[in-house]
Amino acid sequence: QLVLTQSPSASASLGASVKLTCTLSSGHSSYAIAWHQQQPEKGPRYLMKLNSDGSHSKGDGIPDRFSGSSSGAERYLTISSLQSEDEADYYCQTWGTGTPWVFGGGTKLTVL
Amino acid sequence: EVQLVESGGGLVQPGGSLRLSCAASGFTFSSYSMNWVRQAPGKGLEWVSYISSSSSTIYYADSVKGRFTISRDNAKNSLYLQMNSLRDEDTAVYYCARLVDDWYFDLWGRGTLVTVSS
Repeated sequence: QLVLTQSPSASASLGASVKLTCTLSSGHSSYAIAWHQQQPEKGPRYLMKLNSDGSHSKGDGIPDRFSGSSSGAERYLTISSLQSEDEADYYCQTWGTGTPWVFGGGTKLTVL
Repeated sequence: EVQLVESGGGLVQPGGSLRLSCAASGFTFSSYSMNWVRQAPGKGLEWVSYISSSSSTIYYADSVKGRFTISRDNAKNSLYLQMNSLRDEDTAVYYCARLVDDWYFDLWGRGTLVTVSS
């Protein structure tokens, strides 16, 4: 079964960097994922799609501070030079044959 | 401006019905598959339903199958979700989302809140 696992929370200081992780379930390590950001009281916003080789393609207007990388079954979202508006929930998402569109449980990022 | 705007949410009693709408603008709506995704209070995102660009293919999550019906009107650039036999657990913000390459969502609306309660 295709499952995406994310840590519930993360924190980092203003101006620092943070790396969020999304882990694909066993047997699905080649899957691409998408990252989405949800700021408080807002709808989600597409950030990027991320392939298993670490190549990624960002959405329109997404700052260079956001980048993606991959290692095995793990997919990462790195945010550098953290700003207050980066405080949000971050979701990974993918799709598999015979599996409906799935989301990770989300990581709540706190900017200290 | 490229955007999706949902409407139609509100308070409804268990067993009741509601019809959600999503108005698309700024892009060629008829070229894209569309979806509904919901988020219960304090919870994560849950995919609800998919419709292909021509309406030829439709999918539902098991949790809503037989109760919800997705549809679209490409002439009106609009997506719909007819929700019948509503349950307490259907309480959520419902988002309209554009799908690319049949696998990832690249455009989201701001959502409309559906509250099922007596």
